[in-house]
Amino acid sequence: RKEVEQDPGPFNVPEGATVAFNCTYSNSASQSFFWYRQDCRKEPKLLMSVYSSGNEDGRFTAQLNRASQYISLLIRDSKLSDSATYLCVVTPSGTASKLTFGTGTRLQVTL
Amino acid sequence: DTEVTQTPKHLVMGMTNKKSLKCEQHMGHRAMYWYKQKAKKPPELMFVYSYEKLSINESVPSRFSPECPNSSLLNLHLHALQPEDSALYLCASSQERRNRPLHFGNGTRLTVT
Repeated sequence: RKEVEQDPGPFNVPEGATVAFNCTYSNSASQSFFWYRQDCRKEPKLLMSVYSSGNEDGRFTAQLNRASQYISLLIRDSKLSDSATYLCVVTPSGTASKLTFGTGTRLQVTL
Repeated sequence: DTEVTQTPKHLVMGMTNKKSLKCEQHMGHRAMYWYKQKAKKPPELMFVYSYEKLSINESVPSRFSPECPNSSLLNLHLHALQPEDSALYLCASSQERRNRPLHFGNGTRLTVT
């Protein structure tokens, strides 16, 4: 089993739709969780950290389920500019030293 | 604009060349990283420096040689690369504390001919 797994997609959704991605991780000792966004041929950019109590940033909501070992990202009212690959990132050891990336989920928002 | 600056943005080199990739950050981060990313794949960790000391080497071939001259700079020296080493090379930095995310540079797109 991979350390961090994501559905590669692509998820094709119309503008204005709500879309959710899940990411599962295998190491129960994992401490830190992040969602990154990566546009084609660009560097990954931090979208949001994921906290135990869940957190929201505008149209984006992240949740953590430690019992089932997954994190989720919900995007409401999708925009064309949300089209990108969304990478789930997990840190097993509690430090920033060895983040593990999921393979990414491709989102395409269409008119 | 990214706060981690990488140069050059693009690099084409032959298999016998020696070149260096450079990375600079002024955020006071004490952890710096090199990642390699192939198309349609996630970034793969190569090296981690913590307080200017190499703390992680993910079994990277010796034709890649990292260097951290000071807390703001990170270099990756390249020598005798293979065509399969062509990829996007990403530098990142972070605070050396729990739950701190990585900040990536724009990357250097390397082509080995």
